[in-house]
Amino acid sequence: DAKTTQPPSMDCAEGRAANLPCNHSTISGNEYVYWYRQIHSQGPQYIIHGLKNNETNEMASLIITEDRKSSTLILPHATLRDTAVYYCIVGNGNKLVFGAGTILRVKS
Amino acid sequence: GAVVSQHPSRVICKSGTSVKIECRSLDFQATTMFWYRQFPKQSLMLMATSNEGSKATYEQGVEKDKFLINHASLTLSTLTVTSAHPEDSSFYICSARDPRTYEQYFGPGTRLTVT
Repeated sequence: DAKTTQPPSMDCAEGRAANLPCNHSTISGNEYVYWYRQIHSQGPQYIIHGLKNNETNEMASLIITEDRKSSTLILPHATLRDTAVYYCIVGNGNKLVFGAGTILRVKS
Repeated sequence: GAVVSQHPSRVICKSGTSVKIECRSLDFQATTMFWYRQFPKQSLMLMATSNEGSKATYEQGVEKDKFLINHASLTLSTLTVTSAHPEDSSFYICSARDPRTYEQYFGPGTRLTVT
């Protein structure tokens, strides 16, 4: 599975959009980009995933660059409850290998 | 989204005893489940892939005789930590893959403390 690189931490003001970047320059053609988040002492929560087109659901938007070497998760209106560790993972639907993730702190 | 449950949520056991953790998929039949462990302030580490009706596939460095995995039905996988020691104290998390969408859903985790 391809590896990902994420910034270790980010801060975001409550009510503003949170844009979380992820680099996955070694992604292969059949691998998806998945985003999960983990709030302290809970299991990871699925957010969104995509192959090459941009995706949007009720939680977030996923923007994947045309060359698929990077992506951005967008939380349009961050709230305090969005404070969590966000994991960007690439894979083909089999096992998910977690990296260190980005700690997102939403501040009032 | 789909629901995956784990039982127990917390367990404290004495060194040398064995502990069984259950993982159930409630909304779909999961032919494949995964087991992870997570130490404080670290990321999740994949331990093994559990396949219904066959032997589990363990990641490198994970002792298969210590962490016994049984996936006897399409909705239940169990992880047994045998002869537990304090260094096995960790947060154990399972996930189940929905065969219709290939999406993975995670359980709430089990906090194991070995005294």
